[in-house]
Amino acid sequence: GAGVSQTPSNKVTEKGKYVELRCDPISGHTALYWYRQSLGQGPEFLIYFQGTGAADDSGLPNDRFFAVRPEGSVSTLKIQRTERGDSAVYLCASSPPGDTQYFGPGTRLTVL
Amino acid sequence: RKEVEQDPGPFNVPEGATVAFNCTYSNSASQSFFWYRQDCRKEPKLLMSVYSSGNEDGRFTAQLNRASQYISLLIRDSKLSDSATYLCVVNAFSSNTGKLIFGQGTTLQVKP
Repeated sequence: GAGVSQTPSNKVTEKGKYVELRCDPISGHTALYWYRQSLGQGPEFLIYFQGTGAADDSGLPNDRFFAVRPEGSVSTLKIQRTERGDSAVYLCASSPPGDTQYFGPGTRLTVL
Repeated sequence: RKEVEQDPGPFNVPEGATVAFNCTYSNSASQSFFWYRQDCRKEPKLLMSVYSSGNEDGRFTAQLNRASQYISLLIRDSKLSDSATYLCVVNAFSSNTGKLIFGQGTTLQVKP
């Protein structure tokens, strides 16, 4: 069946711009996660949704980062006033409750 | 100190060799433990969960030492296709729910 999909696969933007990254989870998965992976590092947790609500947003680095999941399915990660340090691969994962997290292919964000 | 620490390697081994990776974690309240595999420019995928009693899946054996807060992965009879980065992962919950904390990853290169 279809896995987690993320769009765009690559995004190049300029410092100071606003970006939106989209995640389509596996159908029926109630839990959705966002992680960020910098070069040579493991993924770093950003936020976790259970249904429509953010159950844990402790990983968001600052208030420039915001994520929504209005209907409990698709999620959008929004980054305002992008900085060069935001450049990374943004990974989305989904899972049934308490089960394995399945990752999408990621969006590679480059801030020039 | 990082919550999950791994030797980044790289480990370069010949086909057929046995190789072991180690990982330590700092939060004694961690409840569940995993090894994920990540191929170059791909998303992480669950390789195996790690239990206190130790567990084996074919050529792969994982062990957990809660007293020492130490996790290991042993790969026997290495194949070229085992070349990847192996991520040590812990979770504060007893299932896969909530945020996963990843180590930096250990790179394995199996050579003919």
